[in-house]
Amino acid sequence: DAGVTQSPTHLIKTRGQQVTLRCSPKSGHDTVSWYQQALGQGPQFIFQYYEEEERQRGNFPDRFSGHQFPNYSSELNVNALLLGDSALYLCASSLDLQGRSEKLFFGSGTQLSVL
Amino acid sequence: QKEVEQDPGPLSVPEGAIVSLNCTYSNSAFQYFMWYRQYSRKGPELLMYTYSSGNKEDGRFTAQVDKSSKYISLFIRDSQPSDSATYLCAMRDNYGQNFVFGPGTRLSVLP
Repeated sequence: DAGVTQSPTHLIKTRGQQVTLRCSPKSGHDTVSWYQQALGQGPQFIFQYYEEEERQRGNFPDRFSGHQFPNYSSELNVNALLLGDSALYLCASSLDLQGRSEKLFFGSGTQLSVL
Repeated sequence: QKEVEQDPGPLSVPEGAIVSLNCTYSNSAFQYFMWYRQYSRKGPELLMYTYSSGNKEDGRFTAQVDKSSKYISLFIRDSQPSDSATYLCAMRDNYGQNFVFGPGTRLSVLP
């Protein structure tokens, strides 16, 4: 049973560039959430996708956008990168139960460095 | 005041010790509580999941939730060097889709 897979594992970009991160959820899961984790901090919620739509969003600017595909996989896009966007980006999948996500299962993350 | 707080540590204990990790929170609407273990530069791994107040045991791990005090705990019995990691608590209310995480506590179990 494949868990949550993310690609790439590492990425180096320069300020102003754009980046796309990818996630495949755990088998049987239909909901994908994205989190940003700065060094020494807990994960911060970016947004959640369910049925190919953004269902809830955290306190992140519009430079952060996403997409969910019919096979439940998801992408996170970040435009106009800033130095402060350097972080571990985590994808978490879950199963929607009556409009709520229960347990979150995380991938290994994408380490993004912005120079 | 942050919504979820944890002592950042590092917490160092000898192998075999009982470890107590704690989180406090301010939002009385939180109903779902989870503990994650995270090794360096890896994704968090779900350890325990509890709903509302009470205790839950799974092997060497016990999770406790005291909603009246807005306080949750994770106990690790017979700690092992492989338990050395950062432990994150996470919680949410009945309606939101996002889990709010604490900053994590770094644990070192010394052989």
